[in-house]
Amino acid sequence: ETGVTQTPRHLVMGMTNKKSLKCEQHLGHNAMYWYKQSAKKPLELMFVYNFKEQTENNSVPSRFSPECPNSSHLFLHLHTLQPEDSALYLCASSQGNQPQHFGDGTRLSIL
Amino acid sequence: EDKVVQSPLSLVVHEGDTVTLNCSYEVTNFRSLLWYKQEKKAPTFLFMLTSSGIEKKSGRLSSILDKKELSSILNITATQTGDSAIYLCAVVNNAGNMLTFGGGTRLMVKP
Repeated sequence: ETGVTQTPRHLVMGMTNKKSLKCEQHLGHNAMYWYKQSAKKPLELMFVYNFKEQTENNSVPSRFSPECPNSSHLFLHLHTLQPEDSALYLCASSQGNQPQHFGDGTRLSIL
Repeated sequence: EDKVVQSPLSLVVHEGDTVTLNCSYEVTNFRSLLWYKQEKKAPTFLFMLTSSGIEKKSGRLSSILDKKELSSILNITATQTGDSAIYLCAVVNNAGNMLTFGGGTRLMVKP
């Protein structure tokens, strides 16, 4: 148990579907992150939120839309995804300069 | 653009062997380097290094940073099958708390 919970664990969706990934952290951290992990590529940072405010959008296509209603919850809304978006999506949280703690991820498959 | 390169890409050893994993980086305004272990799920934090030449140790694992050579090594002694995982190296710059990851080293320890 890492203190960062992601749901669902697995998701299969068609290119025209709309779905959301959820992340919740129970560590009292003030920053949350979304990463994408594709096969044979390094972990890629997508979005950063500090105190609920988005501070980084790493050139992510608009078909990915993050939402951070409070410091403990982070969502990633998905719409009209492409097959190359199939990947493991990892959420992380941190406090100050301390190391980031990761959730187990959502394995996303786009048909 | 920050860059992290890990070597080797993959490694197969037998139980009891000692392994050394390498990480080299190019980063503007370096703040820290982190090592994570990723088995099937969440990357789990191993070490955070900020100062050159100071070894950090946890059981059979140890790591050290060389700021002059812009590199770090992760050593695992007396390897066990449970050490089989992907080992990830990441750097943080002073611009924020974003991690730039290397591609990882996949370690397999055979009985």
